[in-house]
Amino acid sequence: NAGVTQTPKFQVLKTGQSMTLQCAQDMNHEYMSWYRQDPGMGLRLIHYSVGAGITDQGEVPNGYNVSRSTTEDFPLRLLSAAPSQTSVYFCASSFPGGVPGTEAFFGQGTRLTVV
Amino acid sequence: RKEVEQDPGPFNVPEGATVAFNCTYSNSASQSFFWYRQDCRKEPKLLMSVYSSGNEDGRFTAQLNRASQYISLLIRDSKLSDSATYLCVVNPYGGSQGNLIFGKGTKLSVKP
Repeated sequence: NAGVTQTPKFQVLKTGQSMTLQCAQDMNHEYMSWYRQDPGMGLRLIHYSVGAGITDQGEVPNGYNVSRSTTEDFPLRLLSAAPSQTSVYFCASSFPGGVPGTEAFFGQGTRLTVV
Repeated sequence: RKEVEQDPGPFNVPEGATVAFNCTYSNSASQSFFWYRQDCRKEPKLLMSVYSSGNEDGRFTAQLNRASQYISLLIRDSKLSDSATYLCVVNPYGGSQGNLIFGKGTKLSVKP
């Protein structure tokens, strides 16, 4: 079972470059989300989607774009990378509801460094 | 006040010890609650959901006190393999959003 697949696992960017973090899930989950995890800050929600064609902002959306053209894919785009975006990024998916039985499954993470 | 607060630890305990983690949440309308486990440099994974009546899974017991807005996790007979960061997670909205709010995590280190 593939679950949630994130690519790349590691990336170094120069300030001002753009890139797309890929996320795909094969569990037919409607709900997908992107988090960033920084030391001492915990996981913070960047953007989320409750289904194909529907996206919304989370707690820290600035500097990031998302789209959801299919149920399976939810890419995260960094428009113009900044050192403050150095972080570990996790994609997650689940069935809607957020209740017991609808656990969130996470990808393995992307470690991004912006220099 | 942070939405979900945890003692960051670290908790350093010997094998076989019992250890308890606490968590408080600020939104009294929160719908559902979870404990996730995160190993070093790995993704978070669900450890257990937390039910109003309390629930147990082997050596792990979770409790919820809605009146005090307090969640706990008890680990009995600690193993070396329990060393990890434990994340308290709350869904404040329920319904179809499924947005999860994470605490910063409590680090546990179990020593031989």
